[in-house]
Amino acid sequence: SQQGEEDPQALSIQEGENATMNCSYKTSINNLQWYRQNSGRGLVHLILIRSNEREKHSGRLRVTLDTSKKSSSLLITASRAADTASYFCATDTFATSSNYKLTFGKGTLLTVNP
Amino acid sequence: DAGVIQSPRHEVTEMGQEVTLRCKPISGHNSLFWYRQTMMRGLELLIYFNNNVPIDDSGMPEDRFSAKMPNASFSTLKIQPSEPRDSAVYFCASSRTGTYNEQFFGPGTRLTVL
Repeated sequence: SQQGEEDPQALSIQEGENATMNCSYKTSINNLQWYRQNSGRGLVHLILIRSNEREKHSGRLRVTLDTSKKSSSLLITASRAADTASYFCATDTFATSSNYKLTFGKGTLLTVNP
Repeated sequence: DAGVIQSPRHEVTEMGQEVTLRCKPISGHNSLFWYRQTMMRGLELLIYFNNNVPIDDSGMPEDRFSAKMPNASFSTLKIQPSEPRDSAVYFCASSRTGTYNEQFFGPGTRLTVL
């Protein structure tokens, strides 16, 4: 099963509203990343939060991490139509010093209506 | 920087044919990842390389799939023979090795096996 699971699977909001997406994971992590994917494109990195951080901001993005609950949230404030995309969380499984990979959830499809 | 380059962007082939997907990572990145994305299974990691050496190929679905990285600037993913269930979008991504480094994705190859 996926390490990261996003919730909800789909979210539809009006322009100007805030959008909140959640991610839960199962095993301990070193860091958690959020990516965006526009239709027909590759994924683009948005923000990374380390396991010893609780909150991080980048422009209109705010990410929180609760390692005790094994969950993270991505908040997009003052959404725009251009924010319409799928959003994925990704966790690392750092087993050895040379073994580093990310495991992605299935994503949340965000639609921002003008 | 041109980013991660993948070719071809689209591939349509018939069942049983050999398919070769190509990837050029970002210069200076020493980790390379191959992913497959479908609606049903989401984004799956197939294999990844560190300094041209395969580190984890546990995601490769079966022996019909093989991947090589003969040098730091080129990798191939080969499917032989191809089957309709291989139809998906295949992404290549690269990063600098390390736990806090984002992955940069290519535009993907959309493969359709008839």
